[in-house]
Amino acid sequence: GAGVSQSPSNKVTEKGKDVELRCDPISGHTALYWYRQSLGQGLEFLIYFQGNSAPDKSGLPSDRFSAERTGGSVSTLTIQRTQQEDSAVYLCASSLQPSNQPQHFGDGTRLSIL
Amino acid sequence: QKEVEQNSGPLSVPEGAIASLNCTYSDRGSQSFFWYRQYSGKSPELIMFIYSNGDKEDGRFTAQLNKASQYVSLLIRDSQPSDSATYLCAVIGSGGSNYKLTFGKGTLLTVNP
Repeated sequence: GAGVSQSPSNKVTEKGKDVELRCDPISGHTALYWYRQSLGQGLEFLIYFQGNSAPDKSGLPSDRFSAERTGGSVSTLTIQRTQQEDSAVYLCASSLQPSNQPQHFGDGTRLSIL
Repeated sequence: QKEVEQNSGPLSVPEGAIASLNCTYSDRGSQSFFWYRQYSGKSPELIMFIYSNGDKEDGRFTAQLNKASQYVSLLIRDSQPSDSATYLCAVIGSGGSNYKLTFGKGTLLTVNP
């Protein structure tokens, strides 16, 4: 079946602009996660959704970052007033259930802030 | 702070050899352990997961877990040039965050023809 789908695959924008990243999880997966991978850095957790609720937003770097999920499916990660340090690959993953389950990643969105 | 440690490598092995990748973790209560393969410029791909002490085999891959030593490893038998990638160890810890993956920095594996 189809995997996790993310769009856009690449995004280049100017500092100070807002960006919206989209994730469509594997059908039937109730849990959805956003991670970020910066150049030379490991993967860092941003936020987790169970259904449409986000019980853990602890990894969001600042209040410029927000995310939502609708219909228990598609999620959007929004970054307002982008800064150069936001440049990274943003990865979305989903799992059948949240507890101790394998997470499957999408291809990611490569975000570059000029 | 929960940590996952891996040797960054690069680990270089000849084609047909066994590649051994190692990982240690700090959270003694961790329950779930994952190995992801990441090719340059691509996203992580799940290749193995293990929950219980011992070995788990899938084709050329074997994951080994020793919770007492807080150690997990991945063996790749009959290594192929196409196995050349960064291998990420990831752990789901204990407590209320039993959904959050904590990743190591990865080990770069090069398989030489």
